[in-house]
Amino acid sequence: KAGVTQTPRYLIKTRGQQVTLSCSPISGHRSVSWYQQTPGQGLQFLFEYFSETQRNKGNFPGRFSGRQFSNSRSEMNVSTLELGDSALYLCASSLGSGGNTGELFFGEGSRLTVL
Amino acid sequence: AQSVTQLGSHVSVSEGALVLLRCNYSSSVPPYLFWYVQYPNQGLQLLLKYTTGATLVKGINGFEAEFKKSETSFHLTKPSAHMSDAAEYFCAVRRIQGAQKLVFGQGTRLTINP
Repeated sequence: KAGVTQTPRYLIKTRGQQVTLSCSPISGHRSVSWYQQTPGQGLQFLFEYFSETQRNKGNFPGRFSGRQFSNSRSEMNVSTLELGDSALYLCASSLGSGGNTGELFFGEGSRLTVL
Repeated sequence: AQSVTQLGSHVSVSEGALVLLRCNYSSSVPPYLFWYVQYPNQGLQLLLKYTTGATLVKGINGFEAEFKKSETSFHLTKPSAHMSDAAEYFCAVRRIQGAQKLVFGQGTRLTINP
């Protein structure tokens, strides 16, 4: 079974630009969540999607957005990039149905550098 | 609100020595608990999880953790450290019902000395 696939793995942008990151979950998984990892703040929850609906959202500005498609693939977008957005963005998938143990399967991440 | 505290941002042990990484959580309801490991330039890999039942949980690579409700702890141990265990370890908590959001601790970087 293929794991969680994130693209691109590395990217460099400049301030003010926007970026779109993509995540393909494990086959059969309907929940996709996104986390931002930085040395200072650690792992912070961005948002979670289940069956194309945002189910939960973290405390990030509106510049951070996401969506999920009918095949469960997800994208996240960051507009008007700031230097502080430099981070490793991790996508995780899970079955997402009620009562499951909530184990998340993570991709290798997309490392964004903002210059 | 849930939170996770990992005591010690850096832990260093000798190869063959006991590994003990500490995790305490706060949760108003019984949670699910997880330990993840992250190797350089990689994502997070699940080591083990506690959901219900036996409080001593065995995971991959010889790691285990014990859920102690009275102490609100979920410490990770390994009897004998190996050089390949050098990585960053994250403890995480999640509510049993509801969204799939994990709350992570700040992480503990484990260094193994030869």
